[in-house]
This record gives sequence, C-alpha cells and structure tokens, in this order.
Amino acid sequence: DAGITQSPRHKVTETGTPVTLRCHQTENHRYMYWYRQDPGHGLRLIHYSYGVKDTDKGEVSDGYSVSRSKTEDFLLTLESATSSQTSVYFCASREEYSGNTIYFGEGSWLTVV
Amino acid sequence: AQTVTQSQPEMSVQEAETVTLSCTYDTSESDYYLFWYKQPPSRQMILVIRQEAYKQQNATENRFSVNFQKAAKSFSLKISDSQLGDAAMYFCAYRNDDKIIFGKGTRLHILP
Repeated sequence: DAGITQSPRHKVTETGTPVTLRCHQTENHRYMYWYRQDPGHGLRLIHYSYGVKDTDKGEVSDGYSVSRSKTEDFLLTLESATSSQTSVYFCASREEYSGNTIYFGEGSWLTVV
Repeated sequence: AQTVTQSQPEMSVQEAETVTLSCTYDTSESDYYLFWYKQPPSRQMILVIRQEAYKQQNATENRFSVNFQKAAKSFSLKISDSQLGDAAMYFCAYRNDDKIIFGKGTRLHILP
C-alpha cells in the first residue's frame, strides 16, 4: 500500500474555530483528494489537487479551503468550523499515468461542538 | 456532471450464496475507469475490483466479478460464495481525468 497518512486522526473542536487537517503521502503521487463521509451520503469530494499549487473544487467545497505547496502534502482547512462539518474526512492519492489505483488514508474523525 | 448511483442502501445474503450489488453512472465521456471499494467497520478503504471502460471483458478477482454494460452505464458487482468477512459497506466509484466520484454505498450483511 502507498504511504499516505492523515493527521490528526481524531479532533474535537469548537464552533467558529479554524481547523486544519493534513494529508501526507510518500509516493510522489500527482493527484490528491479530500473527501468527507457521512451516513447516507457515501464519500463526497470536497477539493482535489492535480499538482503543486493546482487545486479545484469538488461537490461540497463551501466552508473548506485547501493548499498544496509540496507534492507530498495536501492540507484541508475549515475556515470557521460548524456542527455540519462534523464528519469523517478521508484523503486519497493516485499516480498520474497508471492512475488506476486510488490509495486512501485511514481517515480523520472531526467533531465540532 | 458525472454521477454514481447505488440504488440498494442495504442487502443481505446467506453465507456461501451469491449476491449482486448494483451501480449505475452517468457520463458523457467514453474513456474512464470504474471501481468497487469495500469499507469494513475499521473504515479502511479496500480496492475490490476495477474496470477500464475501453475493455469489453468483465474484470474478475477471485470470488468477485463485475458485469460492465457500457451502453447501459451499469457496473454491478457479483460476490460468489459469500463469506462472513465480506460484510462491509461497498462503494462504486467512477474516474475520468481528474475527479473520482463515489456512490452512496451499499451495506452488505452476511447471514450465517
């Protein structure tokens, strides 16, 4: 499996505070993704990146921003956390050319109180 | 926009029997990839099987096989000889170019 790690794995934060989740991969993958998983909704794409400093919005991007200053790191920031952002967040990455396999991190459990 | 639909939120199958999970998708592209992922209670995402749209032959991986109907935009997963360890949430996913889109999932229960 690809080396892809997420931090923190668990976090409880208060409404209105900013939160940053980090995704780190050691496989030199070009593409990286952030998803949130909620009951009844499956995995929904928040943002994705197709290279350093190249990012784009997914289907549920409101209230989230991302940054990718290095190939290995993809940061997800909740600018002002709300209770509706309580979720499990998954990071994923894949190679550019073979591209068939998507590797996932172990998930980050975020609770906004 | 591409969409992926899994119409069965939950399914149950007797151990050792065969079950088929449904997935349909909507796209205007001709070149893309389709996947089935398994998510056990640990929440780990495990690739079960993948299919390239340009290949007419259905993919198989041991007890897992797909029925890929490109014209109908259908991609169902068949699990043969179901085992207790197959109990999980199963996600169908679509990828072309940059984005990877998932369905809402089907929770599979295995009855002993």
